[in-house]
Amino acid sequence: GESVGLHLPTLSVQEGDNSIINCAYSNSASDYFIWYKQESGKGPQFIIDIRSNMDKRQGQRVTVLLNKTVKHLSLQIAATQPGDSAVYFCAETGNSGNTPLVFGKGTRLSVIA
Amino acid sequence: GAGVSQSPSNKVTEKGKDVELRCDPISGHTALYWYRQSLGQGLEFLIYFQGNSAPDKSGLPSDRFSAERTGGSVSTLTIQRTQQEDSAVYLCASGRRGNTEAFFGQGTRLTVV
Repeated sequence: GESVGLHLPTLSVQEGDNSIINCAYSNSASDYFIWYKQESGKGPQFIIDIRSNMDKRQGQRVTVLLNKTVKHLSLQIAATQPGDSAVYFCAETGNSGNTPLVFGKGTRLSVIA
Repeated sequence: GAGVSQSPSNKVTEKGKDVELRCDPISGHTALYWYRQSLGQGLEFLIYFQGNSAPDKSGLPSDRFSAERTGGSVSTLTIQRTQQEDSAVYLCASGRRGNTEAFFGQGTRLTVV
């Protein structure tokens, strides 16, 4: 399928290394911050979320860090694999599902085998 | 189970024609989102439906764009008098109220010639 995000910032990582993808958000009133992964030719897929009252949350091979002071969100991927190659988007939303998901600019992760 | 289904997968239309894009969400999901993704860009929010609440139309770029959701299920995005800058992939997603995980369809690639 067609690639998306041809003009997006790119992060190249050696297979097996850890990856850190960063995102700056603008709405300090958001209640949830979320990371999505989009592979070429597919729709985005949910990875992990974090509530605004937390600063760290861990999933399987992924960790999300939230720094509300500087409005910064990061996604850490441990032991990066070729299958992790994709465009990663951060998103934010308000409380109780009554507000839409608003996506930030993406970052393309390229894993070097 | 079935995921979010969008049709058509590809649509080529002449400038000035109207188009309708269809989204079948996952059964039972009350939230439905439409996004637009141009080549090299992120996901641009268009419209959000949540249950019986009035839709959030704040992302629609002009009055040529409209969307409806019938019976709380299927949604149709209509673009009137299409222009070349409308060319993009239109993505639909659905989700449960209060849940940050949105499930995306494969998208409809619209090309206006």
